[in-house]
Amino acid sequence: KQEVTQIPAALSVPEGENLVLNCSFTDSAIYNLQWFRQDPGKGLTSLLLIQSSQREQTSGRLNASLDKSSGRSTLYIAASQPGDSATYLCAVCQGGSEKLVFGKGTKLTVNP
Amino acid sequence: DAGITQSPRHKVTETGTPVTLRCHQTENHRYMYWYRQDPGHGLRLIHYSYGVKDTDKGEVSDGYSVSRSKTEDFLLTLESATSSQTSVYFCAIRDKGMNTEAFFGQGTRLTVV
Repeated sequence: KQEVTQIPAALSVPEGENLVLNCSFTDSAIYNLQWFRQDPGKGLTSLLLIQSSQREQTSGRLNASLDKSSGRSTLYIAASQPGDSATYLCAVCQGGSEKLVFGKGTKLTVNP
Repeated sequence: DAGITQSPRHKVTETGTPVTLRCHQTENHRYMYWYRQDPGHGLRLIHYSYGVKDTDKGEVSDGYSVSRSKTEDFLLTLESATSSQTSVYFCAIRDKGMNTEAFFGQGTRLTVV
């Protein structure tokens, strides 16, 4: 059974800091890994998708990496801003079934 | 934004009553998913569909059933609602393939009293 873990569960940083969020998974038979952002009371917004054959993907100040063999992904946020405050979730798409399995998220607070 | 709509957005119902939540998409995506989100548990898969009339269970399927009679609609039914099913329910859609993103609806907040 696929298990996805996100560490830390919560993170508080001052504005301007670069930070890394971690995601690990137990079964490497995945099609892709996707990072999402969720604001309080809202749905999930897709940030980045990394295919299983890719090593990293970038969008603006966000960079996501994937090491499928070790079952790890990181989301790097450069020059954090208060508007980045949200919960960040990672999800893996299982090979074969194409089920999406989520971690419990990291709640990020960026302080002005 | 992907065309995905959940209805209703909010619902309060009594224990023991049946409840149906609807997810509607305009993207013609093959996969549709139902999740519930609870504090401390994150997002947990209830059921998902990989085509019309093709569905499979997720990790928390007990007490829930689903139907997909056409590509655009995926219905989640609570046969006899219980207080433990009070939650926020999210629908997601995704096309087939290794490089396709999942998109989420805005959620339905269900309270069972």
